[in-house]
Amino acid sequence: SQQGEEDPQALSIQEGENATMNCSYKTSINNLQWYRQNSGRGLVHLILIRSNEREKHSGRLRVTLDTSKKSSSLLITASRAADTASYFCATITQGGSEKLVFGKGTKLTVNP
Amino acid sequence: EAGVAQSPRYKIIEKRQSVAFWCNPISGHATLYWYQQILGQGPKLLIQFQNNGVVDDSQLPKDRFSAERLKGVDSTLKIQPAKLEDSAVYLCASSRQGARGVSSLHFGNGTRLTVT
Repeated sequence: SQQGEEDPQALSIQEGENATMNCSYKTSINNLQWYRQNSGRGLVHLILIRSNEREKHSGRLRVTLDTSKKSSSLLITASRAADTASYFCATITQGGSEKLVFGKGTKLTVNP
Repeated sequence: EAGVAQSPRYKIIEKRQSVAFWCNPISGHATLYWYQQILGQGPKLLIQFQNNGVVDDSQLPKDRFSAERLKGVDSTLKIQPAKLEDSAVYLCASSRQGARGVSSLHFGNGTRLTVT
């Protein structure tokens, strides 16, 4: 079963614009992670945010977490053509099995 | 450090045939994962090993899929017999510790399986 659901499913922007992707999940989590997947490649870890954190930055990436709304957002600022990829959120739920469950992803296209 | 290695990169088989995938995780990573990713979807966990013991295989179709991790290092995933719906990318990942806590996963480039 998939815990997270990304929104939108697809996003197309121009180079230099900001891209925002959202993730909603259903059950309480220990942490939430974002991954990027270029076409035909494996996933690459971008950033991890713990359940007791509200915001985290890494370079041009900004992640927020709202546990009351069970949602997270990933903001990519000043996008580049090389940011074209699919972005997935993944969660580790509290208690129970300690597995990382991925959403369906957002396909981002950055046009030069 | 060297990344997660997977082979083969591509495989095409007919339904009812068998196939095996191989994964070599990053050195020192105790936890190894096999994910199935169907086109247009997110990865789905098939099996998770901690060293050479199984932590979670709740979504592994055990009537046709099997996996092993000998000596807590390399792993193989086998499908026998394959069905058309097994067409997908099979991703191997590893991490330093169990999924609980702060460990991120390192993925290989996957094996793209086409069942005809």
